[in-house]
Amino acid sequence: GAVVSQHPSRVICKSGTSVKIECRSLDFQATTMFWYRQFPKQSLMLMATSNEGSKATYEQGVEKDKFLINHASLTLSTLTVTSAHPEDSSFYICSAADGTKDTEAFFGQGTRLTVV
Amino acid sequence: GNSVTQMEGPVTLSEEAFLTINCTYTATGYPSLFWYVQYPGEGLQLLLKATKADDKGSNKGFEATYRKETTSFHLEKGSVQVSDSAVYFCALKHQGGKLIFGQGTELSVKP
Repeated sequence: GAVVSQHPSRVICKSGTSVKIECRSLDFQATTMFWYRQFPKQSLMLMATSNEGSKATYEQGVEKDKFLINHASLTLSTLTVTSAHPEDSSFYICSAADGTKDTEAFFGQGTRLTVV
Repeated sequence: GNSVTQMEGPVTLSEEAFLTINCTYTATGYPSLFWYVQYPGEGLQLLLKATKADDKGSNKGFEATYRKETTSFHLEKGSVQVSDSAVYFCALKHQGGKLIFGQGTELSVKP
């Protein structure tokens, strides 16, 4: 199956700093990427959907100025958590899909963010 | 709106036991249905899928049948192994490719 690489897998940052998470599709063109947040023992909450070259579409209740999403190429999307606070600590997962084909989205390995 | 409901966990079974994890959905139209598995500390892996009514998805001994009449997509396995211990998510694919997930069911298989 297709491979989606997410980096870093774990990151610890100080409160008030920003953290960037990368999501790369390694062997296909990801026209659409999705960013999810997962709280412990809970389901995945979709944060935003991004299409290559366009602004991301954020789900209701997600602060777009806090969670900056860039999808500048067909193989890379980034999520930047700005001015991170302890409540932003969570597991963030990206998924990528080729919208030109009727295939499922593929998921990255996830990033465990801890804000101290 | 579209939604997915799964049976609550955790589910604890002995090795070689029969597994059923119930999943029902609410959706407009005819969505595709998926089961994903998440091992500790990892992202999600697609386990199986079905794209239309009466389709049966299967993989690694797991099976699920798309039942339109009962709006269900229950996951089954005849004989679970310790290595099957994970969290299982049922999901439907919304328009535009969005996946809507159930709340997840944690499975623990004891030797």
